[in-house]
Amino acid sequence: GAVVSQHPSWVICKSGTSVKIECRSLDFQATTMFWYRQFPKQSLMLMATSNEGSKATYEQGVEKDKFLINHASLTLSTLTVTSAHPEDSSFYICSARNTGTSGSSYNEQFFGPGTRLTVL
Amino acid sequence: LAKTTQPISMDSYEGQEVNITCSHNNIATNDYITWYQQFPSQGPRFIIQGYKTKVTNEVASLFIPADRKSSTLSLPRVSLSDTAVYYCLVGDISDSGYSTLTFGKGTMLLVSP
Repeated sequence: GAVVSQHPSWVICKSGTSVKIECRSLDFQATTMFWYRQFPKQSLMLMATSNEGSKATYEQGVEKDKFLINHASLTLSTLTVTSAHPEDSSFYICSARNTGTSGSSYNEQFFGPGTRLTVL
Repeated sequence: LAKTTQPISMDSYEGQEVNITCSHNNIATNDYITWYQQFPSQGPRFIIQGYKTKVTNEVASLFIPADRKSSTLSLPRVSLSDTAVYYCLVGDISDSGYSTLTFGKGTMLLVSP
């Protein structure tokens, strides 16, 4: 199946700093990527939809100025957590929708391995 | 209003068949049913997807009745490594109506020796 990578896989930062997380679709084009957040023992919560070449669409309650999303190419979306605080500590997962070519995985969403963010 | 409802947890033993049922009473005409598996500290992994009747792949089967208001994921002969959380999701995967995936609480499957 298609592969989605995330970098870094884990990060520890001080309160007040900004952290950038990258999400890449390695072998397919993804005009749409999604960012989720998952707290311990909870389900994934959709934060925003990242659209290549346009502004991201944020879910209700998610601060767009705090969670900056950039989708500058068909294979890369970045999430920047600005002025991170301990309550932002979570597992951040991206997924990419395969919109490159038709086929068995066309329009299927593939998930990255996640990024563990710990804010001290 | 929750789109899907699943049991919170299930227990099984190695070698048994496990069936996890998901309710999606408000499923729309263009919605597909997709199941994902998630291990701790990993991203969800696609298991199977279907629209109606039965779908089978190398790891699971998916049974969908005619009214499509529920679906059952069947895992044959589970092993310890199948211990994970299983999510049932419904959504439109067409080009014109593509919808975001909304995760419910999932089912925690625990397989014991």
